[in-house]
Amino acid sequence: EAQVTQNPRYLITVTGKKLTVTCSQNMNHEYMSWYRQDPGLGLRQIYYSMNVEVTDKGDVPEGYKVSRKEKRNFPLILESPSPNQTSLYFCASSGAYDQPQHFGDGTRLSIL
Amino acid sequence: GIQVEQSPPDLILQEGANSTLRCNFSDSVNNLQWFHQNPWGQLINLFYIPSGTKQNGRLSATTVATERYSLLYISSSQTTDSGVYFCAATSADSGTYKYIFGTGTRLKVLA
Repeated sequence: EAQVTQNPRYLITVTGKKLTVTCSQNMNHEYMSWYRQDPGLGLRQIYYSMNVEVTDKGDVPEGYKVSRKEKRNFPLILESPSPNQTSLYFCASSGAYDQPQHFGDGTRLSIL
Repeated sequence: GIQVEQSPPDLILQEGANSTLRCNFSDSVNNLQWFHQNPWGQLINLFYIPSGTKQNGRLSATTVATERYSLLYISSSQTTDSGVYFCAATSADSGTYKYIFGTGTRLKVLA
């Protein structure tokens, strides 16, 4: 089954404790991205990756890092999480930037 | 950067009614897409529609890129259509490939 898989689905942690949210897709997609969703703000793109060689900032990259060492995986790293990063996070992938995006089921992060 | 405005922000319909959701852009865009977020939070791609008209069952979408808007039509609405509808696009002039989302239209269909 074609899918985008995120883990964990839920996480409660404390300020400053490094965490990684994994994202994996099995569709051989080139374009992958991370979004955060906050009430009243819609979805905002954090980072995107055109392919394993090109990664670029979205609208809200501060406090986040990403890595694209292989085509299928695109982890989101919060090296020193803060409470303002409490949010619902989505990973998405598409064949290319100009093709339909497919989303994972989301990861709800709470940072105390 | 481009601004994406969706209207109406909220919509309540009786089952069987038709509706039109609108997405306006402040500047030229590419790669317009429509998504549905169901009540369980899952985001489903409805249409990739940079221009023209597409139909999929009871849903159809039209994008008029030269006039900077896109419309999503829902006919004979069902309770399963409830949720939030988002449009998203990339800027045609920025030289980047990042997506900007609207803040959504929240639809509730009553049985």
